[in-house]
Amino acid sequence: AQSVSQHNHHVILSEAASLELGCNYSYGGTVNLFWYVQYPGQHLQLLLKYFSGDPLVKGIKGFEAEFIKSKFSFNLRKPSVQWSDTAEYFCAVTDSGGYQKVTFGTGTKLQVIP
Amino acid sequence: GAVVSQHPSRVICKSGTSVKIECRSLDFQATTMFWYRQFPKKSLMLMATSNEGSKATYEQGVEKDKFLINHASLTLSTLTVTSAHPEDSSFYICSAFKSGGPTYNEQFFGPGTRLTVL
Repeated sequence: AQSVSQHNHHVILSEAASLELGCNYSYGGTVNLFWYVQYPGQHLQLLLKYFSGDPLVKGIKGFEAEFIKSKFSFNLRKPSVQWSDTAEYFCAVTDSGGYQKVTFGTGTKLQVIP
Repeated sequence: GAVVSQHPSRVICKSGTSVKIECRSLDFQATTMFWYRQFPKKSLMLMATSNEGSKATYEQGVEKDKFLINHASLTLSTLTVTSAHPEDSSFYICSAFKSGGPTYNEQFFGPGTRLTVL
């Protein structure tokens, strides 16, 4: 069975600070990896995804994530956060087989202080 | 793009009544849709996988007789919470799996339905 762990539950940063949110997954096979964002009062939106190829993935709004297979990690990064990045961030994984069941991490709440 | 809608966005009902929530893929066909429940300050919990034309697959611990799922067409799945009780109050989110094209292997999420059972 798949599992996803996000180490940071609540992160508080000042504007312009750099961000890195940790995500580790547990699964023995080939996986697809995702980061979703949920802004206050809004629905989940896809930030970025990794299926194959270049392990450094760039997403929307200046976010990027790096897939490190040996560490089973897919950490999310942004060099300079803005107040508008305040949201909850979820790491997720699916297996790359026919059954597209998504397993979500517990989420990280990011609060950016102006 | 790929848009998923849910209706209603918010519903308040009395204990013992049933509530139906609709999930629609607006601009694509989805043979598979998923229903999640999101508890306050917690992650999304997958409740069931809805497959068009066949019975839904429920996750362990989810009562299939309480949460009835019907996926009657390629663009519509419904979740009916039967005999709702206050503990069923939650945020219910659906997603639709889009096969093929550049968004292969990607799920698109609806905006969610806030259910409050009095």
